[in-house]
Amino acid sequence: EDQVTQSPEALRLQEGESSSLNCSYTVSGLRGLFWYRQDPGKGPEFLFTLYSAGEEKEKERLKATLTKKESFLHITAPKPEDSATYLCAVQAVTGANNLFFGTGTRLTVIP
Amino acid sequence: DVKVTQSSRYLVKRTGEKVFLECVQDMDHENMFWYRQDPGLGLRLIYFSYDVKMKEKGDIPEGYSVSREKKERFSLILESASTNQTSMYLCASRPPIRQGSYEQYFGPGTRLTVT
Repeated sequence: EDQVTQSPEALRLQEGESSSLNCSYTVSGLRGLFWYRQDPGKGPEFLFTLYSAGEEKEKERLKATLTKKESFLHITAPKPEDSATYLCAVQAVTGANNLFFGTGTRLTVIP
Repeated sequence: DVKVTQSSRYLVKRTGEKVFLECVQDMDHENMFWYRQDPGLGLRLIYFSYDVKMKEKGDIPEGYSVSREKKERFSLILESASTNQTSMYLCASRPPIRQGSYEQYFGPGTRLTVT
């Protein structure tokens, strides 16, 4: 059974304090792993797709990495505007067309 | 930029009412999806459509139906709304797989409350 587990559930950082969010996954053949950002009351905003172990993607203060079992979203020197819930999702090679989502990490960056 | 719009941001309906949620995308995407999002459960797929008039059930289709008469529009229908359908509803679309992209693009969501 496909499974995605994100940790921690919530994370509070001081502005400038770098950290990482974890996404562990179990899937019968990975087609892709996706990171989204979601602000309260809004739809998820696409950030990155990772397709194979060893791949890395960067965007401003965010860097996503992928291994065969997990992905990390590294946040370097975060700012208060980085506060949001970060969602991880996987799509399997076989089965339905949908993404299977984790429950997210709620990040709060304190000025 | 991909733009996915949903007809309402907030909606309040009574138990037993028939509810229509509309979603429109402007990128000529073939694949469209309806999810609901609940605290602690994440996003769960209700239905998806891979072409006009084509639909497939997702993980939680009970109590819902869908309609896709035009490529750009995908509607979610609650035949007889119940309080356990109070949730955030999210529509998404995805480029054709032949383009090599699998990411989905989401609309702003509709917060539905059934009283």
